[in-house]
Amino acid sequence: NAGVTQTPKFRVLKTGQSMTLLCAQDMNHEYMYWYRQDPGMGLRLIHYSVGEGTTAKGEVPDGYNVSRLKKQNFLLGLESAAPSQTSVYFCASSLLRVRYTFGSGTRLTVV
Amino acid sequence: GNSVTQMEGPVTLSEEAFLTINCTYTATGYPSLFWYVQYPGEGLQLLLKATKADDKGSNKGFEATYRKETTSFHLEKGSVQVSDSAVYFCALSDQNAGGTSYGKLTFGQGTILTVHP
Repeated sequence: NAGVTQTPKFRVLKTGQSMTLLCAQDMNHEYMYWYRQDPGMGLRLIHYSVGEGTTAKGEVPDGYNVSRLKKQNFLLGLESAAPSQTSVYFCASSLLRVRYTFGSGTRLTVV
Repeated sequence: GNSVTQMEGPVTLSEEAFLTINCTYTATGYPSLFWYVQYPGEGLQLLLKATKADDKGSNKGFEATYRKETTSFHLEKGSVQVSDSAVYFCALSDQNAGGTSYGKLTFGQGTILTVHP
């Protein structure tokens, strides 16, 4: 099925470990986004990309890095995980900036 | 910057009751407005949207009207069902004065809706 696929779905990290979250879309969308969801705070934008090879900071970028080497993939990296990064992470892609498709999320716990 | 404020929840209703979830926004330019729904353990699904003032979005019995004069986009449903129990998010997409947009979404904090039989 066409859509946005996130891997992994769940992960537990120890403080200081690193990991990469993968987002893949097969809809040829130019725009891709990474959000984090925390209780009572809605979703907040971490980083976004307006096309292959481009990335930009969102509202809460500290502690994260991203790359968009291929149009269909948008990677979110945590170099040194902290407990404050415990969250649910959602990737989204956009067609024409009014139609968005979200992945099913990655639940990350940092202990 | 842009912001979205939703009524605080949680909201608990009986089946067939009338639902209103208030949403107001602050934005420059001409944002598009959205309601998303999130069922337990799932991602966000688009419920409805409106792209300009006075537009009414509707889907599955839910409605919301883009009111520029009151900067609001309240969600309503005349008769809720148990299956409507979920978290509802109001959101807007950014637009600068020149009309270009990177499509960044700004979300409200979400409203938990529980419908009892």
